[in-house]
Order: sequence, then C-alpha cells, then structure tokens
Amino acid sequence: EPEVTQTPSHQVTQMGQEVILRCVPISNHLYFYWYRQILGQKVEFLVSFYNNEISEKSEIFDDQFSVERPDGSNFTLKIRSTKLEDSAMYFCASSLKRQGLREKLFFGSGTQLSVL
Amino acid sequence: GQQLNQSPQSMFIQEGEDVSMNCTSSSIFNTWLWYKQDPGEGPVLLIALYKAGELTSNGRLTAQFGITRKDSFLNISASIPSDVGIYFCAGVNTGTASKLTFGTGTRLQVTL
Repeated sequence: EPEVTQTPSHQVTQMGQEVILRCVPISNHLYFYWYRQILGQKVEFLVSFYNNEISEKSEIFDDQFSVERPDGSNFTLKIRSTKLEDSAMYFCASSLKRQGLREKLFFGSGTQLSVL
Repeated sequence: GQQLNQSPQSMFIQEGEDVSMNCTSSSIFNTWLWYKQDPGEGPVLLIALYKAGELTSNGRLTAQFGITRKDSFLNISASIPSDVGIYFCAGVNTGTASKLTFGTGTRLQVTL
C-alpha cells in the first residue's frame, strides 16, 4: 500500500541552526501538508501546498518556515533558525485532488525534531 | 481559533467491551474525520464523515456526524488489545486544500 515517507525519523540540532525535513508524498497525490505535534499535545496544522504554492498557512508558520517541492517527488520543510519551542514531531501528509478524497489525509510516520 | 474537545481524555476498558468517545466543537465543520495514532507513528485515518446525521461503519468502528455539525461520536465494539492508542477527531471546512483541526485526543488503554 502506498505511503508517505519521511526522513530523517529523528533530528537533533542546536538552537539557531537550520534544519530541513524531507517527505516523499504518495505519488498520485496533489495536495501536501505539514503538521506538527508537541509532546503530549494535539496535532496542529502548519501549511498546505498545492500546484507549487502555499494554499494556506497557520500563525505558527512564520518567516522562519518555508516549504518547497524541489522535484517531482520530494516535499521539504525548512526551519531557518531553530528555536527551543520548535521541538516537536513533524508530520508530512498528502491527499488526492478529487472532492470527497481531498479531505482524507495520509500521514507519514513523522520526524522527531529536538532543538537543544 | 476553532477548538475541538474530546471526551473522555483517557479510558481503561476490559477486552471485549464497547467503547464510546465524542468530540465537540465551538464551530461548524463540513467534514469530520477520526484518526488513530500509535506511539511514535503518524495518525491513521479510520473513518470520514461528510454529511450531518451520517452514520458510517468501518469494521468494529462506527462514527456519526452530529446533526448540529458541531460534534461527532466514535464507537468501538468488542475492543481488542490492538485498539490501544490515541484517537483524534478532526474537523475540516474544505477550501482549496484541507486544513484539519484536530481534537485533544482520547487515549484508549485495554486491559486483558
């Protein structure tokens, strides 16, 4: 069964460093998303991406964050200068374009980001 | 912002028992989804609901989209050990892409 793949599974970084989290969405999906989950809390929306541009972003997704689809298969989240409060599990997700299926997001296993 | 509260927060049940949990929102959603999250994994979609009043089943799971569009319920019948995990509801108001608002989660633990 096709799945969303995320790398790395764990990332440890120093405060102020840049990190890039990588995702390979399901191949025929056209909508891509990043969500995050701080330990013990609910999953929060960060950004949605369609047709090579951001569709919507949350207030969490400030200027330190950016997303990119550098080629036909990868979807990345970059945090330019990490802060301690960026420590969380980051989930990539994707969905189809068709009405009634667009809402069904398939999530990857996540990248656990620890900022020291 | 939109708030989705789930209850109970956590529950211990005996294997074989039926489980009920619910999700209430401060605002209306057009679509409700239920996800299950295992430790260290991403959420996995269980059921999607698209219409107020809709009742949908997936095996031992049954979910309902509340008539007010501000709530949803999930029932699990005859629970088994692999039902352990955190169950999240999520609401969507579909625009160009689907921004899910997740609930606070219900942690289910099954005792043998």
